[in-house]
Amino acid sequence: GAVVSQHPSRVICKSGTSVKIECRSLDFQATTMFWYRQFPKQSLMLMATSNEGSKATYEQGVEKDKFLINHASLTLSTLTVTSAHPEDSSFYICSANRESDFGYTFGSGTRLTVV
Amino acid sequence: GNSVTQMEGPVTLSEEAFLTINCTYTATGYPSLFWYVQYPGEGLQLLLKATKADDKGSNKGFEATYRKETTSFHLEKGSVQVSDSAVYFCALISGGTSYGKLTFGQGTILTVHP
Repeated sequence: GAVVSQHPSRVICKSGTSVKIECRSLDFQATTMFWYRQFPKQSLMLMATSNEGSKATYEQGVEKDKFLINHASLTLSTLTVTSAHPEDSSFYICSANRESDFGYTFGSGTRLTVV
Repeated sequence: GNSVTQMEGPVTLSEEAFLTINCTYTATGYPSLFWYVQYPGEGLQLLLKATKADDKGSNKGFEATYRKETTSFHLEKGSVQVSDSAVYFCALISGGTSYGKLTFGQGTILTVHP
């Protein structure tokens, strides 16, 4: 069935550096992928909708220049956290929709720690 | 707008106990409803779903029935196991489609003791 691979699973970076997180749909094409952020013991907050071949749609309050999203192919979306700061430390999860099914398939998440 | 409300946790049960996690929703049209489970340090996995009123979703002993009259989608399991310990999220997509934004409840932490 539908599999979404997210990489890396964990990353530690220094303040001011950038980090790229990849989200791949392994056995289906995903024209749309979603990026979420999850704070400890809280629900998922949708950050942006990633559309293949076009600009991402960001939710209100999410900084476009800080969280760069690229969806260059039907199987790959990337989230780049630019000039990361400790407050960007969080669990980031991507998801993709295969329209033959109802619902979404989620990646396994990336734990980002900025020191 | 759309919203999902789950019962507050955490929920702590002994093995083989009966589980209910309440979920109610507010949505336009006829939403599709989902339960997702998140194990520690992992992403979300679809547990079950229902796409129209009176549908019952079921998987791994868990069940939930889409109740339009009460706008609810309560999760139940007759006999929980230690391995069921996780965070459970109720969610919806409005309009009864397979695409669009997922709206999540706040999540309910379930801990099952031997």
